[in-house]
Amino acid sequence: DVQLVESGGALVKTGGSLTLSCAASGFTFPDAWMTWVRQVPGKGLQWVGRLKSRTDGGTADYAASVKGRFTISRDDVKKTLYLHMSSLTTEDTALYYCSSALTVSGVLIPDVRGHWGRGTAVTVSS
Amino acid sequence: SYELTQPLSVSVALGQTATITCGGHNIGRKTVHWYQLKPGQAPGLVIYRDTNRPSGIPERFSGSNSGNTATLTISRAQAGDEADYYCQVWDNNADVFGGGTKLTVL
Repeated sequence: DVQLVESGGALVKTGGSLTLSCAASGFTFPDAWMTWVRQVPGKGLQWVGRLKSRTDGGTADYAASVKGRFTISRDDVKKTLYLHMSSLTTEDTALYYCSSALTVSGVLIPDVRGHWGRGTAVTVSS
Repeated sequence: SYELTQPLSVSVALGQTATITCGGHNIGRKTVHWYQLKPGQAPGLVIYRDTNRPSGIPERFSGSNSGNTATLTISRAQAGDEADYYCQVWDNNADVFGGGTKLTVL
């Protein structure tokens, strides 16, 4: 079974940095396109960014609100996705989910978030 | 930027049919995906590419998309269907999510 387990969430001060991790199992992680999505308390889902597989270029795209402050990376040997966050503001307070793109019969459907973790909570306070 | 509009809440009687809409300009020209969120659980995909069900999702869940509205339909609603539902499209190199709809099963 596909499993995604996020960790690293914490209480941090404004202007601080934090790195989240997402441990993956049950699928071929190196081939996966991975995404971070966050949910602000009491509000909806917000896309953070996406990282393609290395074989598909390994490039990342980011939401305008985090571009230049957040970086997504991956360790295909450890089967782990990372979200490096810096210059944090109170608006970054959220539950952060990692997700993998859907594959159907071995075919990647990159715009669909096929599997998700339970999330890890980040609180930014002054 | 592209925007998706969902009703804040929908109520349905047990065993009846719930309809959750997702509005967007010419959304019928895009492919829409739907997710179910329950507190403390990992979100789950319930419909992808407008009408497709992932394995394990019951036939009671169906989707459609035309014009300016995509729709998630849940037939024979069960207590376990009570959750928040979000629509999503891929637009301009980013996920766009609707604001979410809280489904209450009465």
